[in-house]
Amino acid sequence: DGGITQSPKYLFRKEGQNVTLSCEQNLNHDAMYWYRQDPGQGLRLIYYSQIVNDFQKGDIAEGYSVSREKKESFPLTVTSAQKNPTAFYLCASSIGSLAGANTDTQYFGPGTRLTVL
Amino acid sequence: GENVEQHPSTLSVQEGDSAVIKCTYSDSASNYFPWYKQELGKRPQLIIDIRSNVGEKKDQRIAVTLNKTAKHFSLHITETQPEDSAVYFCAAGGYQKVTFGTGTKLQVIP
Repeated sequence: DGGITQSPKYLFRKEGQNVTLSCEQNLNHDAMYWYRQDPGQGLRLIYYSQIVNDFQKGDIAEGYSVSREKKESFPLTVTSAQKNPTAFYLCASSIGSLAGANTDTQYFGPGTRLTVL
Repeated sequence: GENVEQHPSTLSVQEGDSAVIKCTYSDSASNYFPWYKQELGKRPQLIIDIRSNVGEKKDQRIAVTLNKTAKHFSLHITETQPEDSAVYFCAAGGYQKVTFGTGTKLQVIP
């Protein structure tokens, strides 16, 4: 768990502002994921990336954007187009689909709690 | 896409009793079924997982069963302890991604 970090732990944003959440891992994992967690709704996938310079939309990508310029980093930007951004955001990583067995175990970061004022 | 349903949403058991959480999935192509435990204010952590070529897997007090024909899988916790109190999530999927259930809040009453 200690190999994947998120910052900041708490983030406050005014309506209409974009904000970027950081996610870094030193596990040498190829795959990285962003989830949103709301009470009673489990974890919903926003974006995921299997390799550097490539990423795919998840189930709730609208109003979010990502980049994957480095293997270790997968920042998430919450744009002003996201209608209800207040939530707990979790980043995760896994070895990746090309590595054979046990490639799917995801390791989570500590999360960022975003509040829109 | 995959759809995962999880029941019950809350579960209270007496310490020492067993707890069972059930999940169903929709995509017959799913081949990986992990279970995560999330304590209050902390990150989800994998507690056990099972792949589609296995029907049951045990790890001490925790076991998971998979019925691919019926598309359901279950988590069994025996001899529950207060530290088992948490939210448990099931998930189903494959190499690229998994879909999570909505979670079960387990309370173990001392």
